[in-house]
Amino acid sequence: GDSVTQMEGPVTLSEEAFLTINCTYTATGYPSLFWYVQYPGEGLQLLLKATKADDKGSNKGFEATYRKETTSFHLEKGSVQVSDSAVYFCALSDGETSGSRLTFGEGTQLTVNP
Amino acid sequence: DGGITQSPKYLFRKEGQNVTLSCEQNLNHDAMYWYRQDPGQGLRLIYYSQIVNDFQKGDIAEGYSVSREKKESFPLTVTSAQKNPTAFYLCASRSQKTITDTQYFGPGTRLTVL
Repeated sequence: GDSVTQMEGPVTLSEEAFLTINCTYTATGYPSLFWYVQYPGEGLQLLLKATKADDKGSNKGFEATYRKETTSFHLEKGSVQVSDSAVYFCALSDGETSGSRLTFGEGTQLTVNP
Repeated sequence: DGGITQSPKYLFRKEGQNVTLSCEQNLNHDAMYWYRQDPGQGLRLIYYSQIVNDFQKGDIAEGYSVSREKKESFPLTVTSAQKNPTAFYLCASRSQKTITDTQYFGPGTRLTVL
């Protein structure tokens, strides 16, 4: 079945540092890929998405590129802020089956210190 | 404003009692989903519904039940058969105009069994 593997956390960075959170996936077909962010006590918010190979999703300074050859969708940001502290989830959706359900990675806790 | 609402935000229940979590959306989305989140873990799919009066089991449906009598509403009942119900429950909805449409999440309900 489909699966998503994220780099283990927690990740702690200083403000203005470069961020990479690794995400790799296993899926049949041609999935769409997503990054969601969760702030404490809240639901998930879509951060960015990519729907086909070589697409780059971007939002709020975050970027991720859909790499079919390496089955990866790594999240990057050039300069993190304290307000970026949250849990980040990588997810995939195989739209061809099962009602476009999402399969999630385990999440990566990011803490950014001033 | 359009969105997804979940109520209540916090819910306490005694062992052996059934409890129903509310999820309402005014986004005119066809598909709705229930996920469970445990500390330090990703989200796991409980049930989903692609159309009114129809729903399918997800990965961890045992001990849960749902109904979809209206397009806007997808309540989840946690029954006494669910052995470990304490968790954060997230509802999501999705338009089905294309297979790449995004799921949008509500703010969640934290259920604690006393």
